[in-house]
Amino acid sequence: DAKTTQPTSMDCAEGRAANLPCNHSTISGNEYVYWYRQIHSQGPQYIIHGLKNNETNEMASLIITEDRKSSTLILPHATLRDTAVYYCIALYTGTASKLTFGTGTRLQVTL
Amino acid sequence: EAGVAQSPRYKIIEKRQSVAFWCNPISGHATLYWYQQILGQGPKLLIQFQNNGVVDDSQLPKDRFSAERLKGVDSTLKIQPAKLEDSAVYLCASSLAGGNIQYFGAGTRLSVL
Repeated sequence: DAKTTQPTSMDCAEGRAANLPCNHSTISGNEYVYWYRQIHSQGPQYIIHGLKNNETNEMASLIITEDRKSSTLILPHATLRDTAVYYCIALYTGTASKLTFGTGTRLQVTL
Repeated sequence: EAGVAQSPRYKIIEKRQSVAFWCNPISGHATLYWYQQILGQGPKLLIQFQNNGVVDDSQLPKDRFSAERLKGVDSTLKIQPAKLEDSAVYLCASSLAGGNIQYFGAGTRLSVL
């Protein structure tokens, strides 16, 4: 699985959009980009994933560049409850594929 | 729908003692995972089961860690004997067979003194 690089930490004001970047310059054509987050004292929570096209669900939007070397997770209206560590993971899909977590981005949402 | 259940939530033991953690995955999920998360780091996969068979245990320290999923549902992870460096949160996750969206429990926080 390709290595991903994320900023260590970010701040965002409540109500504003939080844009979390991820670099995955060595990603291969059949690797998906997955995002999970981990709120303090909880297990990781799946957010969204994508291959080439931009994706949106009730939690977030995922924008993947045309060359697939980077992506951005967008929380359109961040709340205090979105304060968490966000992990970007490149992943082949299949029975034996496994999540390899880095250290992620610590997002702090403030009033 | 009930989530992944883990117990206990917290455990404090002395080094060289043994400890066991229990996990009940989401109903119908064939794949079960155990992760170790050391403070300040992301979770690291220890072992992956598909039903009651082991798919990947390459990062499980087999001299002291063991895990089983005898009936393809619940699972236990055991450490015997524990070392100071085993202090961590142990997370259990489950997914549908062949699925890549994993659902995590809240974890067990282990402190080894």
